Amino acid sequence: GENVGLHLPTLSVQEGDNSIINCAYSNSASDYFIWYKQESGKGPQFIIDIRSNMDKRQGQRVTVLLNKTVKHLSLQIAATQPGDSAVYFCAEIGASGNQFYFGTGTSLTVIP
Amino acid sequence: DAGITQSPRHKVTETGTPVTLRCHQTENHRYMYWYRQDPGHGLRLIHYSYGVKDTDKGEVSDGYSVSRSKTEDFLLTLESATSSQTSVYFCAITMGSYTEAFFGQGTRLTVV
Repeated sequence: GENVGLHLPTLSVQEGDNSIINCAYSNSASDYFIWYKQESGKGPQFIIDIRSNMDKRQGQRVTVLLNKTVKHLSLQIAATQPGDSAVYFCAEIGASGNQFYFGTGTSLTVIP
Repeated sequence: DAGITQSPRHKVTETGTPVTLRCHQTENHRYMYWYRQDPGHGLRLIHYSYGVKDTDKGEVSDGYSVSRSKTEDFLLTLESATSSQTSVYFCAITMGSYTEAFFGQGTRLTVV
């Protein structure tokens, strides 16, 4: 499968600070990426996506940045809250457009 | 949970026994997927379906089979369960190519 990985397995931040979660991918032909949030005991939930013709996309308190030159993806969470504590996965969509390849995940802990 | 129901939610079974997990969707989405999630590996695709009776293998399909006789149901069968198949299994659905996947709540399977 595609090689999608995360730089850091765990991340702790103070409540109110900004969080940055990173992801590297190997297939330069991939053109669709998604960030998911997974809380304990639940399935992954869609956060935000980005296509390869963009380098930045913003949602509510979240921003995804895509650097195709170095094949790097990041998720920025503004004003991190305790409810943001979860495992975050990036996913790369393969050339078929239907197969998702997930990284191993980063566990985010928000310290009150 | 985007109208996805997985059953059972928890199961303990003995090595060598057959096991079938069910995924039911009410969204009438064309694509359905089965993933397994293990520590250190993230989510890995087992099999997916792109329509009734149309299925294909993912990256970790050995020891698993699937069937889709109706749009709303996608079954995952372990013909003869092994301890290495102890995992959390997630079903996902997508509307089409290059769209986000919605996940079920997961099934925790333990093979003893």
